[in-house]
Amino acid sequence: EDQVTQSPEALRLQEGESSSLNCSYTVSGLRGLFWYRQDPGKGPEFLFTLYSAGEEKEKERLKATLTKKESFLHITAPKPEDSATYLCAVQYFGNEKLTFGTGTRLTIIP
Amino acid sequence: KAGVTQTPRYLIKTRGQQVTLSCSPISGHRSVSWYQQTPGQGLQFLFEYFSETQRNKGNFPGRFSGRQFSNSRSEMNVSTLELGDSALYLCASSLTGTTGGQPQHFGDGTRLSIL
Repeated sequence: EDQVTQSPEALRLQEGESSSLNCSYTVSGLRGLFWYRQDPGKGPEFLFTLYSAGEEKEKERLKATLTKKESFLHITAPKPEDSATYLCAVQYFGNEKLTFGTGTRLTIIP
Repeated sequence: KAGVTQTPRYLIKTRGQQVTLSCSPISGHRSVSWYQQTPGQGLQFLFEYFSETQRNKGNFPGRFSGRQFSNSRSEMNVSTLELGDSALYLCASSLTGTTGGQPQHFGDGTRLSIL
């Protein structure tokens, strides 16, 4: 069965302290891997799509990378407004529904 | 450009009732997907509609159904509500849907509470 695992479940960082979030998937035949940010009471907000190993995407303090078995979301010098739950979702050829991980709840302390 | 709009935002129902949720996709998007989000299970895929046809379906009972209209707006219906149906129901739209590998864009959801 398709499985997406995100780690850690929760992460508390001081403002300016860089770190990485992990998303690993178990099945080959990846069509795309998607990163989303979700604030309390809101729907997920699209951040990045990655399609092949070695691909990287950047937006402000966030950088997403992809290998054959996992993706990392690197956050550089985070600010309190970066606090949110970050969700990873994967889509495979032949099974197009999005499978989501349970997310990493990120808290940035001023 | 307007985003995905879901109505109502909040809904309270009792067991045994039925409910209909509405979703208006981003203009030009032909695919609409529905998800259930709960603290214990996270985001679970319900179904996807593309050009008024259900194209994909998740592992939910038949009490959960949906439809899509010619203007791409979609509705989701849940019959014979159970306490476990309490959740945030999210709608997402995309240009080509899941087969195109395009990202889905989400609305802010309908919070359904069952008493």
